[in-house]
Amino acid sequence: GIQVEQSPPDLILQEGANSTLRCNFSDSVNNLQWFHQNPWGQLINLFYIPSGTKQNGRLSATTVATERYSLLYISSSQTTDSGVYFCAVERNSGNTPLVFGKGTRLSVIA
Amino acid sequence: GAVVSQHPSRVICKSGTSVKIECRSLDFQATTMFWYRQFPKQSLMLMATSNEGSKATYEQGVEKDKFLINHASLTLSTLTVTSAHPEDSSFYICSAFAGTVPYEQYFGPGTRLTVT
Repeated sequence: GIQVEQSPPDLILQEGANSTLRCNFSDSVNNLQWFHQNPWGQLINLFYIPSGTKQNGRLSATTVATERYSLLYISSSQTTDSGVYFCAVERNSGNTPLVFGKGTRLSVIA
Repeated sequence: GAVVSQHPSRVICKSGTSVKIECRSLDFQATTMFWYRQFPKQSLMLMATSNEGSKATYEQGVEKDKFLINHASLTLSTLTVTSAHPEDSSFYICSAFAGTVPYEQYFGPGTRLTVT
């Protein structure tokens, strides 16, 4: 099956710093989503980005499908950004399960 | 965006009892729903895929007689943990797919099950 690797596994940032999280996947995909799991466990949809670039406030994401990777950028980090960031992919178009990476655990300290 | 709810959010039960978890798509019809389990500090692991009106497809190693899944309508799927044991304690999360563009999947807030 498809493999998803995320890096780094852990990241500690000072408040206000920028960061880049990476997601590599082993096969072509039609669906790629980035999530933030908050301390209560809820998965927050950040981006649906099978290709291209999107921005939402301090967050942006880029997926280069031909090279099988995606990047999540966090600028001017805040303590509320802390949590686990997951990348998940799917080879089809929504009707088969997402395959999750192991996540990047981000801690933003004041 | 699309909203998926789960109920209950947290449940504590005694060993040997059964627990039902509901997953609802509130503002769209979900042709397919998925159930995941997450242990502490780990990623999400798929348990089963549920299509409305048909039997669920379980992942290898997931006991279908222990984890009963019913997807009786386009807005509701239920997961019943039968004869729960402490090792079933986990965080259970459902997701739903509307079957339309964009092909995004939406996740519920999760249910934390503790079996004593």
